[in-house]
Amino acid sequence: GAVVSQHPSRVICKSGTSVKIECRSLDFQATTMFWYRQFPKQSLMLMATSNEGSKATYEQGVEKDKFLINHASLTLSTLTVTSAHPEDSSFYICSAYKAGGASTDTQYFGPGTRLTVL
Amino acid sequence: AQSVTQLDSQVPVFEEAPVELRCNYSSSVSVYLFWYVQYPNQGLQLLLKYLSGSTLVKGINGFEAEFNKSQTSFHLRKPSVHISDTAEYFCAVSGASGGYQKVTFGTGTKLQVIP
Repeated sequence: GAVVSQHPSRVICKSGTSVKIECRSLDFQATTMFWYRQFPKQSLMLMATSNEGSKATYEQGVEKDKFLINHASLTLSTLTVTSAHPEDSSFYICSAYKAGGASTDTQYFGPGTRLTVL
Repeated sequence: AQSVTQLDSQVPVFEEAPVELRCNYSSSVSVYLFWYVQYPNQGLQLLLKYLSGSTLVKGINGFEAEFNKSQTSFHLRKPSVHISDTAEYFCAVSGASGGYQKVTFGTGTKLQVIP
């Protein structure tokens, strides 16, 4: 199977600081990665679609200046939460799209990053 | 656009009993359907997926799901649950055209297996 990692798994920061979360596809190239946010006891909400070498596409209501996404290589996408505030505390999950024909097109999810902003 | 409805937010079931987690979807196009499991403080793990072909799909950990196009459902079943099946289960749908498609998730069902 395909493996996606996230780093860090857990981060606690002070209000006003910026936090960078990395998402890596370890054994395949991912031209497209996705960033999700999951609030407690809720489902995953897609924040943005990250395409290698181009600007990310943000979902409605997601502030692009607040959540900076960079997809500089085929195996790495980063999400930077700028000037984080307590309301940004959440579980952030990335996924990587592995293209391989109709029977294998699927997304592989990372283990998630728990962000707590004090 | 697609949407997914998981009617049950929590399902308690005794160990070794059967379980069914319900999922209904709506879409104006052909779809792919997925079930994911999430253990506490972890990411999502794919249980099974329906892309085409047989409507009965078998997945990992003894789970299976049946795609019913007329009822727009994709219910997840297991004939005998274990304590280790306690987790949250998400049904998801995506469009079935070529290339990547956005995945829409349901609100999740917490399965609690009672010893």
